[in-house]
Order: sequence, then C-alpha cells, then structure tokens
Amino acid sequence: DAMVIQNPRYQVTQFGKPVTLSCSQTLNHNVMYWYQQKSSQAPKLLFHYYDKDFNNEADTPDNFQSRRPNTSFCFLDIRSPGLGDAAMYLCATSRDQDSYEQYFGPGTRLTVT
Amino acid sequence: DQQVKQNSPSLSVQEGRISILNCDYTNSMFDYFLWYKKYPAEGPTFLISISSIKDKNEDGRFTVFLNKSAKHLSLHIVPSQPGDSAVYFCAASALDSTLGRLYFGRGTQLTVWP
Repeated sequence: DAMVIQNPRYQVTQFGKPVTLSCSQTLNHNVMYWYQQKSSQAPKLLFHYYDKDFNNEADTPDNFQSRRPNTSFCFLDIRSPGLGDAAMYLCATSRDQDSYEQYFGPGTRLTVT
Repeated sequence: DQQVKQNSPSLSVQEGRISILNCDYTNSMFDYFLWYKKYPAEGPTFLISISSIKDKNEDGRFTVFLNKSAKHLSLHIVPSQPGDSAVYFCAASALDSTLGRLYFGRGTQLTVWP
C-alpha cells in the first residue's frame, strides 16, 4: 500500500543534543510537509518542499532545518533541542502544489530530557 | 492568531445518534475546507472536504455543511458508531496560499458510547 512512513515513532533526546527525524513516502507526491503538534493544539506547519524547492514558514525557529535528498525522503533536523521542542512531529505529502488533500504519516513523538 | 477554531475540545454521543462537530474560521479568503480524523498513535487521515462554491457535501454517514456568511462549517455523522471515536480536525485552505497550505483547528475529541 502506498503510504507515508515516519521513523522513529518515538525519539528521546537530551537537551541540546541534535536529533534527526525521518519521513519517507511511496506515493510519489511532489510536496512534502513537516508539522509540529503540541498537546491539545493545532498542527503547526514548520516548512514544506515542492520538489526540491524549500519553503520555510516565517515563524519557524532557525533551530529547525530540513533536507529532501530525493522525492521519497525528507528529514527534519533539530540542531539544539530545547524542552519546548517536545512535541509530535507529523510529516505529510500532497500530490502537487494545487492539491488540497494531504496524506499524513503516523508521527514521531519527541521527548527532550 | 488561530484562523480556524474548534471551540469544543470534546463531544460525547450515544451510538446511533447524530454527532455534530463544529468549526469556525476568520479568513474570508479560505475556499476549501477539510475534515481529518485521527486515532491514537496514528496520523490524521482525510475524511471529507467541501469547496466554498458548495454548501453541502455528503459521503455515506458523513456530511459537511458550509455557511460562508457565518464563516462556519460542521460535520454531521449519522448514525454514530463506536469506531467513530477519534479526534476530528477541521482544516482550511485559501486559493492564493502557498502550496496548498492548510490551517488546522485544535481538534475535537469525539467519544461514541454504546
């Protein structure tokens, strides 16, 4: 089945220790998104790629970076995680830039100790 | 500033009855609206959508109603089933938004009890 896969599902990191979250997709979609969702809050868009074009949200901290080495994979790098970065991180894809429907992975729950 | 609002964090409904989940938005440029359903330990999954040129869209037990003048939409589930218990997110997008950008509400936890 075509899907969006996120690894790991649960990640524990230490304060200030860099961490990378992974997302892969078998849908062959052009657009990939990273969202941050904290408890009882709406998913917040961090950035997205249309093909290799990177689009950063204005309020996404510099501490968050992303890489998309190919169509299938996208990575979220948190350079120096703080306690406030503990959240669920959701990866999503959409077929093209004019597609409204997004397909989500199961998310990675990040804990910062 | 939250442009999509779901003011009820939770809703409890008896099996077989109607569930009505509400969503309000502030941006008059929004032209497409979606509902997502999320089970624990899973990502949100698309449920149903509606374009701003319509006021109703139906898919089986699920119907979404849009009231543009009130900037309000609702999701009706009838009859409700225990398997419908999940968090429901309302989302909206604007025609001129970047790359189909979605604005999400905080979600409503629906519990359907037998």
